[in-house]
Amino acid sequence: GAGVSQSPSNKVTEKGKDVELRCDPISGHTALYWYRQSLGQGLEFLIYFQGNSAPDKSGLPSDRFSAERTGGSVSTLTIQRTQQEDSAVYLCASSQRVNTGELFFGEGSRLTVL
Amino acid sequence: QKEVEQNSGPLSVPEGAIASLNCTYSDRGSQSFFWYRQYSGKSPELIMFIYSNGDKEDGRFTAQLNKASQYVSLLIRDSQPSDSATYLCAVNIHLTGNQFYFGTGTSLTVIP
Repeated sequence: GAGVSQSPSNKVTEKGKDVELRCDPISGHTALYWYRQSLGQGLEFLIYFQGNSAPDKSGLPSDRFSAERTGGSVSTLTIQRTQQEDSAVYLCASSQRVNTGELFFGEGSRLTVL
Repeated sequence: QKEVEQNSGPLSVPEGAIASLNCTYSDRGSQSFFWYRQYSGKSPELIMFIYSNGDKEDGRFTAQLNKASQYVSLLIRDSQPSDSATYLCAVNIHLTGNQFYFGTGTSLTVIP
């Protein structure tokens, strides 16, 4: 696609439910990143993929969070048993090369946990 | 200690003035440095990157890098109201993987 695509754009869920957030990176981009941004805050690193493998999962806040990437393309971030503190905008970004440049961001998925 | 630190502002400058945004980083293994602009309710977009010590100019924007002092700055000349946004500094640390760490951002308002 022309840009990074994320879905859903908005998700409202009840505490304790599971949610899945999807990211479709720019075609040919090998690196994919997930960040979380709470209201008025900076970007909190969650995880990144190089191809289908995740060399760094250190940013995942708890074992309720998991992510996978298949076929070197689409990635899914899953949050189990959601809590109110999980409410944030989840941003996905992709990059063409490993050790340089530019992250291209999607429009984000806004998650609200009631 | 956070990997990347920025003054959160808000920073206000009059239209036509120079806006100066600063960022410090803690990891000497940092090798690539980026400035992103984020409008309210939108995603970040890249405006500048710099790899080497010194200045790099692109139109009204100049990025400055000083690895010895571990800081990177962004100057915006002839500031315009459309420059009002949050500016995020990001650092890419290659030696421990390929993480991009972001600062919390500096909010800039250009007053007409």
